Amino acid sequence: DQQVKQNSPSLSVQEGRISILNCDYTNSMFDYFLWYKKYPAEGPTFLISISSIKDKNEDGRFTVFLNKSAKHLSLHIVPSQPGDSAVYFCAASAPGANSKLTFGKGITLSVRP
Amino acid sequence: SAVISQKPSRDICQRGTSLTIQCQVDSQVTMMFWYRQQPGQSLTLIATANQGSEATYESGFVIDKFPISRPNLTFSTLTVSNMSPEDSSIYLCSGTRGITEAFFGQGTRLTVV
Repeated sequence: DQQVKQNSPSLSVQEGRISILNCDYTNSMFDYFLWYKKYPAEGPTFLISISSIKDKNEDGRFTVFLNKSAKHLSLHIVPSQPGDSAVYFCAASAPGANSKLTFGKGITLSVRP
Repeated sequence: SAVISQKPSRDICQRGTSLTIQCQVDSQVTMMFWYRQQPGQSLTLIATANQGSEATYESGFVIDKFPISRPNLTFSTLTVSNMSPEDSSIYLCSGTRGITEAFFGQGTRLTVV
């Protein structure tokens, strides 16, 4: 049973436009959410996170929005750049989980020049 | 940040054999984890590697199949035992110093033939 769902396997956007990557979760105990970026033949790298006490966190071109009532979060990248082309994983953690993360399947983002 | 080195980066193994994957962190981390990413799937936590004691396994994973060692704070090994083609996956080592600082190795791509 997937507790973290990334239902769209891929997304293609034009350079300069906004990329919106969505993530849904089912476990109401999750209180911390993270996005990781992964290039081929490399491990995932941390991108941005958000605590459940917030509904928005921004870091440069990256913004994560959290809607707790809908159990939904999204990652916005604006403007999108070709170097953003990668697989993006949504991950979540629950209190007392000792830093264990539950991951979604990932979304492959392609940014067209 | 921490740099995590995994080796081998890839291997092709005969069924019935075992492979040991090594993970070295360049600085102390609090927790070390082993994940598996099967084709088209999310990263799934195999176990938490505990320093000097038996690893803590997630549901569906057992010590006989995936023995793990962590003799010190910066080194861990995962063995995939008695391999079958279903074990073909990417295996990832992760180290954390808290929720926001989870670092990953580049992964070991295992193919069992």
